[in-house]
Amino acid sequence: GAGVSQSPSNKVTEKGKDVELRCDPISGHTALYWYRQRLGQGLEFLIYFQGNSAPDKSGLPSDRFSAERTGESVSTLTIQRTQQEDSAVYLCASSPGRTTGRGQFFGPGTRLTVL
Amino acid sequence: QKEVEQDPGPLSVPEGAIVSLNCTYSNSAFQYFMWYRQYSRKGPELLMYTYSSGNKEDGRFTAQVDKSSKYISLFIRDSQPSDSATYLCAMKTGANNLFFGTGTRLTVIP
Repeated sequence: GAGVSQSPSNKVTEKGKDVELRCDPISGHTALYWYRQRLGQGLEFLIYFQGNSAPDKSGLPSDRFSAERTGESVSTLTIQRTQQEDSAVYLCASSPGRTTGRGQFFGPGTRLTVL
Repeated sequence: QKEVEQDPGPLSVPEGAIVSLNCTYSNSAFQYFMWYRQYSRKGPELLMYTYSSGNKEDGRFTAQVDKSSKYISLFIRDSQPSDSATYLCAMKTGANNLFFGTGTRLTVIP
């Protein structure tokens, strides 16, 4: 299939360790989003990439969180010095362009557990 | 107060029932309204998209937006067991990010 893919699907790490999560968007999609979904809560916006523009980082909860994207391809979300409250499902989404609300296509997510 | 409020349920209905799911919001700048369906251990998938106030119908699904009341609804007619999932409302201004409700877990009992 040509959907959004994410890896790993599950990640268990120890408190204080760094983790990297990967997202492969749908080919040709210029916009890419990262969200966090805590248990029993809605999706929380983290960061948005649009083409070669500067990313919108307004949702990143702390400076331990960072993300990169090379051109219009793969993105990685890095969490440094993980804390237990970072445990959540991290979802990536892509869309064809600067979406006006036509919807974003989500990957299956990475379930992060910090012990 | 959260920007988007959604009753988390859970909601259980018999097969064939009409289901009504709702969200309220506080930001009058929201213009785009969406409903996503999320199956267990999967990412959300877009069901309905509506711009501004009004109704939109797609098969068994109808989305309603009442901006004056800051209230949106999703109706599912002739509900099926395959509709069992968590339904998330989402909305945005013209800016980049979506604001999501917490989701309502629906179970349709055969």
